[in-house]
Amino acid sequence: GQNIDQPTEMTATEGAIVQINCTYQTSGFNGLFWYQQHAGEAPTFLSYNVLDGLEEKGRFSSFLSRSKGYSYLLLKELQMKDSASYLCALMDSNYQLIWGAGTKLIIKP
Amino acid sequence: IAGITQAPTSQILAAGRRMTLRCTQDMRHNAMYWYRQDLGLGLRLIHYSNTAGTTGKGEVPDGYSVSRANTDDFPLTLASAVPSQTSVYFCASSDSIQGDTGELFFGEGSRLTVL
Repeated sequence: GQNIDQPTEMTATEGAIVQINCTYQTSGFNGLFWYQQHAGEAPTFLSYNVLDGLEEKGRFSSFLSRSKGYSYLLLKELQMKDSASYLCALMDSNYQLIWGAGTKLIIKP
Repeated sequence: IAGITQAPTSQILAAGRRMTLRCTQDMRHNAMYWYRQDLGLGLRLIHYSNTAGTTGKGEVPDGYSVSRANTDDFPLTLASAVPSQTSVYFCASSDSIQGDTGELFFGEGSRLTVL
């Protein structure tokens, strides 16, 4: 079967760095996605990893290790507007997305 | 540029009633999806369509039906609503089912309450 785990909630301080982890188990793999979702809004695409390694995009970076079934989203220079839920999603062998429950990130001044 | 438009944004519905959630996209994307999002759970796929004229069942299809008569529209119908269908429903689209990123574009959601 397939399974995705990510922490339910995390707290960080404005200006700091936070790492949100996502672990998964799957028999087929076609990529790992991160989406951001502000409360009451639609999810929006942040990043996509299909090969091992780090993908950097401004203040946000995403890392993948396929052998370990592990990904993380790294947010640097945190801003209050980064307070949101961060959704990890796995694309399976049928190119369907399997979603984690999301990590609610709370930024404190 | 509208992207994906969902209607209604919010609805309270009596159990047993029929309800159709509308979804329209103007990006000419091939694939469209309906998800439900419930507290503490990940997005769950209800139905999908890889191209106009075809539909498929997702993880939680029971009690829902869809149609894809053209590229732009993908309505979701609840034939006889039940309280367990209280949820936030998101319509989404993507350029390809096997695209290089598979990035999904979401509508703003429809909050449905079944009493």
